[in-house]
Amino acid sequence: KNEVEQSPQNLTAQEGEFITINCSYSVGISALHWLQQHPGGGIVSLFMLSSGKKKHGRLIATINIQEKHSSLHITASHPRDSAVYICAVGGGTYKYIFGTGTRLKVLA
Amino acid sequence: NAGVTQTPKFRVLKTGQSMTLLCAQDMNHEYMYWYRQDPGMGLRLIHYSVGEGTTAKGEVPDGYNVSRLKKQNFLLGLESAAPSQTSVYFCASSYPEQGSDEQFFGPGTRLTVL
Repeated sequence: KNEVEQSPQNLTAQEGEFITINCSYSVGISALHWLQQHPGGGIVSLFMLSSGKKKHGRLIATINIQEKHSSLHITASHPRDSAVYICAVGGGTYKYIFGTGTRLKVLA
Repeated sequence: NAGVTQTPKFRVLKTGQSMTLLCAQDMNHEYMYWYRQDPGMGLRLIHYSVGEGTTAKGEVPDGYNVSRLKKQNFLLGLESAAPSQTSVYFCASSYPEQGSDEQFFGPGTRLTVL
């Protein structure tokens, strides 16, 4: 079993839909990161969380430390949100453990 | 600031050839990392460095060597390329002294070994 599990692996949504991507982990962490990777592109950091909730524009990330679970929500999704979303956990050693990613496609 | 840059962006090698991938960062970060990304798998750490002149093995170090002669540069070498090393390679850097383990990624290098 992977130490970081994401679901779903693939997701297709219609423009405007509310989207949720989940991440569960089995190791102790100091922080959890949500990353975005556009097709053929690099990787950018969206959020770094150690507790609670963060919001940036239409993106919201939450984490439940006790349940070892995090969610990334996208409100009013748009085709430009189409990307791979990657969950990564940091254990305080400055080395990440990555999930395999969720491939999101938003249709116009 | 350019952030983290990687050269080259694309490369095709024949089995047995050698090459070096260059990663450069202008953020004065202490830590640097090399990852590979393969379909259906999460990013995997090849080697990392916690400071100039130091390197350490990651999860999948076999077939690769690294050097960190200057703080801003982290080189990844393939001495004798194999088809199994066909992948997308990402470099990243971080500055944990700031109390954050956030990593900043380069744009990636797509390597094909025939």
